[in-house]
Amino acid sequence: SQKIEQNSEALNIQEGKTATLTCNYTNYSPAYLQWYRQDPGRGPVFLLLIRENEKEKRKERLKVTFDTTLKQSLFHITASQPADSATYLCALYMGRRALTFGSGTRLQVQP
Amino acid sequence: DAGVTQSPTHLIKTRGQQVTLRCSPKSGHDTVSWYQQALGQGPQFIFQYYEEEERQRGNFPDRFSGHQFPNYSSELNVNALLLGDSALYLCASSRRGQGALSGNTIYFGEGSWLTVV
Repeated sequence: SQKIEQNSEALNIQEGKTATLTCNYTNYSPAYLQWYRQDPGRGPVFLLLIRENEKEKRKERLKVTFDTTLKQSLFHITASQPADSATYLCALYMGRRALTFGSGTRLQVQP
Repeated sequence: DAGVTQSPTHLIKTRGQQVTLRCSPKSGHDTVSWYQQALGQGPQFIFQYYEEEERQRGNFPDRFSGHQFPNYSSELNVNALLLGDSALYLCASSRRGQGALSGNTIYFGEGSWLTVV
């Protein structure tokens, strides 16, 4: 079965720096990979989707890369702000209709 | 435009009891999926409903069942509750044909926190 690995250790960075989060998966390469943000006690919020034929996707200060050879996606937040502090989840499509999520990486941006 | 709404937000049940959680999808969405999220873990797929039928199911026992109504709202039922069922239960909605396979946005509700004691 597909497994997703995200760094379980929290990432602490200084405001203004670039945060880079990693998502590694096993087995087959998915057609799509998504990134979500989740704040404590809240539901996940969709951020970005990248397709297998796309190497990079950008949205404002966010950038996602997708390397099907390495079976890895990187999620970058440039010019990070304390408001970016949250848990970030990587998700792949399992079967035709369901998402498989990683356990998430908690990001803490220090002012 | 209301997003995905779930009820109740919090509840406490005793082992062996049964619970029903409810979800109203985002306006215009017809597909509802349920996920279980244990503390410190990512959401795990339970099942998905479209056209009032269960279309796909994750690795959850038959104690977990669901229903979708003609207005697209959905219920998740869990029987014979175990301590390990304590989790955040998330409902996600999308539009059939414009959801997972086409890569369009899936919207999550804020979840129902279930504590089993």
